[in-house]
Amino acid sequence: GQQVMQIPQYQHVQEGEDFTTYCNSSTTLSNIQWYKQRPGGHPVFLIQLVKSGEVKKQKRLTFQFGEAKKNSSLHITATQTTDVGTYFCVGGGSNYKLTFGKGTLLTVNP
Amino acid sequence: NAGVTQTPKFQVLKTGQSMTLQCAQDMNHEYMSWYRQDPGMGLRLIHYSVGAGITDQGEVPNGYNVSRSTTEDFPLRLLSAAPSQTSVYFCASSWGTSYNEQFFGPGTRLTVL
Repeated sequence: GQQVMQIPQYQHVQEGEDFTTYCNSSTTLSNIQWYKQRPGGHPVFLIQLVKSGEVKKQKRLTFQFGEAKKNSSLHITATQTTDVGTYFCVGGGSNYKLTFGKGTLLTVNP
Repeated sequence: NAGVTQTPKFQVLKTGQSMTLQCAQDMNHEYMSWYRQDPGMGLRLIHYSVGAGITDQGEVPNGYNVSRSTTEDFPLRLLSAAPSQTSVYFCASSWGTSYNEQFFGPGTRLTVL
């Protein structure tokens, strides 16, 4: 079945450093969504990518969808303490099936 | 707009007890779903519904029942609680299909002793 692997599982950075998390799917995806979950909170939607090779930016966050629509990445430039949380991707497969990555927990040292 | 609401926020059950986790949304979303979140496992889909009167099983449905009598409400029933059901439960909804932005509720933290 469809699997989405996300790496790394954990990432600790100094404030101001960059951060990247990657998702790789075993199958071609229709779309991919990214969510952020603060500690103790609920997932909050960040963005959706649909097109092959798509790149979208939200302030310091850059999202990419691979040409083959099997991988994606989220890059944060110059992290801040407010970026702390778990970032996870959700791959949209055939028949509207969603597959969740297990997430990357980002901690930021001020 | 309250968005997606869940009650209760916290619950402690004894093994064998039953209970219903409530979920409601006021956005007129067709798609609603229940997830459980366990450390190291990510979010796993329990049950979902594409509209009133239609439900289907997700990845981990055993021990749970759902119904969708209205567009707004999607309760999750634990039939006979087991310690393995200790988890954080999230309800989510989206407009149209699962492909669209999922709006998550605040979650219910359930402990089964």
